[in-house]
Order: sequence, then C-alpha cells, then structure tokens
Amino acid sequence: AQSVAQPEDQVNVAEGNPLTVKCTYSVSGNPYLFWYVQYPNRGLQFLLKYITGDNLVKGSYGFEAEFNKSQTSFHLKKPSALVSDSALYFCAVRESNDYKLSFGAGTTVTVRA
Amino acid sequence: GAVVSQHPSWVICKSGTSVKIECRSLDFQATTMFWYRQFPKQSLMLMATSNEGSKATYEQGVEKDKFLINHASLTLSTLTVTSAHPEDSSFYICSARDVIAGTYEQYFGPGTRLTVT
Repeated sequence: AQSVAQPEDQVNVAEGNPLTVKCTYSVSGNPYLFWYVQYPNRGLQFLLKYITGDNLVKGSYGFEAEFNKSQTSFHLKKPSALVSDSALYFCAVRESNDYKLSFGAGTTVTVRA
Repeated sequence: GAVVSQHPSWVICKSGTSVKIECRSLDFQATTMFWYRQFPKQSLMLMATSNEGSKATYEQGVEKDKFLINHASLTLSTLTVTSAHPEDSSFYICSARDVIAGTYEQYFGPGTRLTVT
C-alpha cells in the first residue's frame, strides 16, 4: 500500500520569503514522487517529479524538491515566493511498478504581498 | 506538452437525469485514463481506471452502474453519471498517461464541475 502525508493544511508566507511545503510518503517499493499545483476550479498542473538520480529536482516556476530516502520525504521549496504562487499544492506518489497515484490531502499556500 | 481537455467545464442538471463528461488527450494517445473526484478543499479520490478497448477498473466503493466509463478510442474516455442526485455534485477530473512517450506523469484535464439540483 502507498500513502502520502502533507502535515500542514495551510502555509502562509510573505512575498519574497522562502516557501516550503512538506510531504512524506510510504511505499513498499521504489517511489515515484510528484508535485502538482491547483488553482481554483482548475485541474492539476504538473510541477516536478522524482523518478531516479539526483535527489534535488528542479521544476516549473522556480520550484524544486528534495528527495530524502531516509526520512521518506519530498518537500517542495521555492527560494522566493510570489503572490501568484498562492494555490493548493498536492504531493503524490506511486510505486515504480504501478500506475496509480496516491495524493496527499493538499496544502493551501497563501503568499501575502 | 501533452494536453488533456474535458467537456463540459461545468454542468447543472436536475436530479434523476444523466450527465456525460468527456476527456480527450489532444496531442498524444492514451491507452490509460483515470477519473478522479474531488470535494471542496479536499484531495483527489481515484474513482476508476479506464483502459482503451476494455472494461474500466473501479476503486472500492465506487458504483460501476452509477458511474459508467467508456474508453472507445486512444484519445477519448467518457464518464456518465447516471440518475444523478445532489450528492453526486462534485468536481470531476480526468487524467491520461502518454504510454508511447514513456513518460511517468499523468496529464490532468481542467476538470468538470457538476451540480445536481
């Protein structure tokens, strides 16, 4: 069984400050990890993924995430947040030999001007 | 990049009627498509996996006779909510895998907001 935990329902930061959205996962095999962003009444937009290789993954819109196998974490980060980054963020995982994605509960990010 | 469209983007229907939602992969072939349901401010719940040319695989607790899925071509899957009731009101999102390209991510449609009155 696979699962994802996003421990924070909400994250509030000031524009220009670093942004971190936390994610931990549980899988029985090798994890494929993803971050998606959702704006109101829209589908999910892909931000980045970790499949294999370098633990630091760079994605769209200046976001990056670090895969930490020992801590089973895949936190999303952005060095300098923008007001336009305000949205709902989902972490997702699937096992390497499966195609089903399991999503976390989501974290609402609010960046204040 | 890979684009997935959904139609309609929103629909209002009366209780007891049926509603069909289309999911199309516009620039790639998708042998597998997924249907999700999302309640306000909640995560996505996988309803079923749609495979081209075969029956859909439903997740536990999802009524297959209530949510009919058809995947007749490599670019189109449809979800029909039969005899809709107010509790079926939700945001329905589809996604598709570009198997030929060998990518690992799912590409998501923009979603369909269903309101049953």
